[in-house]
Amino acid sequence: DGGITQSPKYLFRKEGQNVTLSCEQNLNHDAMYWYRQDPGQGLRLIYYSQIVNDFQKGDIAEGYSVSREKKESFPLTVTSAQKNPTAFYLCASTSSPSGNTIYFGEGSWLTVV
Amino acid sequence: AQSVTQLDSQVPVFEEAPVELRCNYSSSVSVYLFWYVQYPNQGLQLLLKYLSGSTLVKGINGFEAEFNKSQTSFHLRKPSVHISDTAEYFCAVSDIQGGSEKLVFGKGTKLTVNP
Repeated sequence: DGGITQSPKYLFRKEGQNVTLSCEQNLNHDAMYWYRQDPGQGLRLIYYSQIVNDFQKGDIAEGYSVSREKKESFPLTVTSAQKNPTAFYLCASTSSPSGNTIYFGEGSWLTVV
Repeated sequence: AQSVTQLDSQVPVFEEAPVELRCNYSSSVSVYLFWYVQYPNQGLQLLLKYLSGSTLVKGINGFEAEFNKSQTSFHLRKPSVHISDTAEYFCAVSDIQGGSEKLVFGKGTKLTVNP
């Protein structure tokens, strides 16, 4: 089945460690996105990528990094510089913007212990 | 840059009652507007979207929304809700800047349908 796969679903990290969240899509979509969700805050954009080997910062990029080496993959690294990383992270993609539906993965829960 | 305001953070209703979830966006020459639904611990699913044309948009699960340009609103409605409609609902607007496009979301409205 076509879709977006995020892994792991649940992840625990010690303070000071980097962690990478995986996002893979087999929808042949050009654009991919990472959002962070906190209770009562809605979704806030971390990074997005319109094409391979190119990406832009979103509204809350500090403490995060991404890469887009392949069309189907857009991993997100949460670095130790991120002050409050405990959150629900959502990956999304769309064939091309301009009104096309953006599809979301099932999300990854990151907890810093 | 675009912004979205969802006026109610929580909306409790009884089963079979009508519901309206309100959404206002910042004005722009043209906009694309979306409503998404999120069930607990899951990703978001598209309910409906407005791109152009008829201002009344029908979506899945019996939901509809009306685009009102003069009031910069895109309120979501359902004439009779079910227990299964209990979820969080997000309004979003497409923000185009410098050739790039991204979705800007509201903070969400938690709809609770009580028996």
